[in-house]
Amino acid sequence: NAGVMQNPRHLVRRRGQEARLRCSPMKGHSHVYWYRQLPEEGLKFMVYLQKENIIDESGMPKERFSAEFPKEGPSILRIQQVVRGDSAAYFCASSPSGQGLTEAFFGQGTRLTVV
Amino acid sequence: GQNIDQPTEMTATEGAIVQINCTYQTSGFNGLFWYQQHAGEAPTFLSYNVLDGLEEKGRFSSFLSRSKGYSYLLLKELQMKDSASYLCAVRDIGQAGTALIFGKGTTLSVSS
Repeated sequence: NAGVMQNPRHLVRRRGQEARLRCSPMKGHSHVYWYRQLPEEGLKFMVYLQKENIIDESGMPKERFSAEFPKEGPSILRIQQVVRGDSAAYFCASSPSGQGLTEAFFGQGTRLTVV
Repeated sequence: GQNIDQPTEMTATEGAIVQINCTYQTSGFNGLFWYQQHAGEAPTFLSYNVLDGLEEKGRFSSFLSRSKGYSYLLLKELQMKDSASYLCAVRDIGQAGTALIFGKGTTLSVSS
């Protein structure tokens, strides 16, 4: 009964490279949320997806960032042409439903370091 | 606007009781959550309040007053393992998809 699985746990990229972060929700969960946590900052909402649909991307930067949750496979958060300011912990959470959910379950996060 | 405030740091001793306050201002409200996060780990769910009053779960209790935009998390019989960051989060009904808005967290240090 695995929880939310994120990989990799740690990712190092040089400036200008692409970063791909993966999130497999808990079994039976079809709603995925991505959050970013900067040092000394709270978790900031980025994007909410259901299978094959982006529901709310109001927290995601307009450029360089994209997310998907295909019919098969994990959700992917993609950051193109990374910059030092992208260094942060990226957490994924999943829930069985969007409306009326009581709690979301978080993955262990991916710590992205841009050098 | 949306704003969630909680103290940055708190300290306490083993066996004591500590109360972590959270005030919020959001355009809508559909529930308040408390999460615990140890350094380098995932946030884990502690409690959920949507109606006014106290919810008790073992050594942890959470209180909500919607009219005051106020919540607190009460930790009793503190243990060293309770040293962690405690995150207050509000689900804003105005947010499509009911994502959570988090405060910056309160770092609790428990000493012997």
